[in-house]
Amino acid sequence: EVQLVESGGGLVKPEGSLRLSCAASGFTFNSYSMNWVRQAPGKGLEWVSSISSSSSYMYYAESVKGRFTVSRDNAKNSLFLHMNSLRAEDTAVYYCAREMVRGVITPGPFEYWGQGTLVTVSS
Amino acid sequence: DIQMTQSPSSVSVSVGDRVNITCRASQDISNWLAWYQQKPGKAPKLLIYAASSLQSGVPSRFSGSGSGTDFTLTISGLQPEDFATYYCQQANSFPGTFGQGTRLEIK
Repeated sequence: EVQLVESGGGLVKPEGSLRLSCAASGFTFNSYSMNWVRQAPGKGLEWVSSISSSSSYMYYAESVKGRFTVSRDNAKNSLFLHMNSLRAEDTAVYYCAREMVRGVITPGPFEYWGQGTLVTVSS
Repeated sequence: DIQMTQSPSSVSVSVGDRVNITCRASQDISNWLAWYQQKPGKAPKLLIYAASSLQSGVPSRFSGSGSGTDFTLTISGLQPEDFATYYCQQANSFPGTFGQGTRLEIK
């Protein structure tokens, strides 16, 4: 069974930093690109970042470019999102999601999702 | 960036009804479109990919159609568990933009 479990969310002050993690299991992690999608309270879904299976390619939403960095550790079946210079508008539930097709990196579709971790940016 | 526009933003329907949700892309995305269902407090669930392909395990009352810029999600014979918010997402090019969502409410 595919499982994605996010962690690392919490309350952080504006301009602060946070690192989110996503632990993957139930599939060959190093064969799939991975993604972060966020959802502000009461709002819709926003794609944040994607990383290819071997970390060769990374893509970011304009709203986080230069502040967020996506990475992965295939040996530990883990995905990360390093978030710096956080702003109030980054407050959201952050989901990690797995690409549907093995071996490619595309903006979707995302077949499996974690339960999400809440990041709150407030003083 | 490709903009995705869903309509309606919300709709009241009854159990057993048929409902259509539309999604329009700001440019041609061929059939690179997915539909997701999200219930409150839960992660999105993939329903349809490649515009019309039903994800494994999803009931056949869900169907998708369209190509190019105009797409439709149809739910035939609404069940109580279908009341949720639905999102389209273009998968043609980064950034992978989502529509703003359509909330299905019980009439």
